[in-house]
Order: sequence, then C-alpha cells, then structure tokens
Amino acid sequence: SQQGEEDPQALSIQEGENATMNCSYKTSINNLQWYRQNSGRGLVHLILIRSNEREKHSGRLRVTLDTSKKSSSLLITASRAADTASYFCATDGAAGNKLTFGGGTRVLVKP
Amino acid sequence: EAQVTQNPRYLITVTGKKLTVTCSQNMNHEYMSWYRQDPGLGLRQIYYSMNVEVTDKGDVPEGYKVSRKEKRNFPLILESPSPNQTSLYFCASSSTVNEQFFGPGTRLTVL
Repeated sequence: SQQGEEDPQALSIQEGENATMNCSYKTSINNLQWYRQNSGRGLVHLILIRSNEREKHSGRLRVTLDTSKKSSSLLITASRAADTASYFCATDGAAGNKLTFGGGTRVLVKP
Repeated sequence: EAQVTQNPRYLITVTGKKLTVTCSQNMNHEYMSWYRQDPGLGLRQIYYSMNVEVTDKGDVPEGYKVSRKEKRNFPLILESPSPNQTSLYFCASSSTVNEQFFGPGTRLTVL
C-alpha cells in the first residue's frame, strides 16, 4: 500500500489563483518531499521538509507538515500555466533508506 | 551537465525475451533506485542501491534483477518479461535517499 496519499487527485484552476494539495501518510518519517512531473517526464525535486519542521518556503511554494496528523500540504501561490503538472509527495520512512511516493495530484492551470 | 541517463527510451518487445535497461549518472551519487509508474498506481519502487555492490528490494521486485558493479551504473534486467511489466520506468540517483534526480524514463511495452 502507498505510504503517501494525495488529495485531491486532480485540480483545475485559473492562472493567478493559488493551488493547494494535501498528502497523508501512515508511518513515522524523517523527511517528506514534494516532486513535480510534467507529462510523461522524469520527476523533479521541489522541496524537502524535515519531521521537526512545520513550514517551509521556496519561491512560490509553501509546504506545511503536521506530524501529529501525519499530513502535509503544498501550496503554489500565483499559479502560472507552466505549473501544470502532477505533484507527488514522498516519504522516507523511519529506516530512511527508501522513498515511497503517493499517487499524485494532477494540476491544470488554465491561462 | 549533471544528469541521469536511461537507455533505451522506448522499447517494444515480446514475452520472454530478456532485456536490460541501462541507467547511468554523472554526479557521483551513492544512492540509485528504479521505479515503475502505472496509471492509478503512482510510482512504485522496484530496487534500490545504497552503494556499489549493495542492493535491496523495493516494493515490487518480482520479475526484475539489478546489479551495481560501478558507482555510476545501475542496470535493470528483465530476465523473462511479461505483459504485466509493460510500464514507464524511471531511474533515479541522489547522495542520500532524499532529493533524488530522475532520468527521463523508459517506456516499455511487452507483447
């Protein structure tokens, strides 16, 4: 079973709006990461948040982590058409030797 | 340019015909991993390697083999491919398990 589950599965917004997606996981983690995938291409690492951090920013990205609820959120502010992609969360688990990915959220940003 | 390369990018083969998908990275990374991506199932890890001669099973290792004889290379071997191995395959590398760099993907069809 997947460690991370993203919600929603798909999201459609207008350019300039914010996009928020959530990730829930099941077991203890050291780190949680978010990746982006443009259609059929390799994933690109966006941001990593450690289990002792609650919030992290990188450009237009804001990630939160709530370890008590085993959940994380990714916010993309002022979205652009180029943000159209699938977004995946990934957790490393307590052993820290492998990543487990969620099913992803497909984001469509309409111009 | 730092990159992960995979070959071939596209492959159509028949059931039972042994094949190898190569993966190479030029970043001197210790950690390498193979994933398969299927619609509705997200990315699932097949095998990973923490360093040369150190490999371990991921979540879906059945039907696959790997080797890590050199740090830069991590080939994926399908000894007897079957149609259920039709998928999009990604190789990834990183210094640790986090912030993985992904290759461009190999789309495999087994008839």
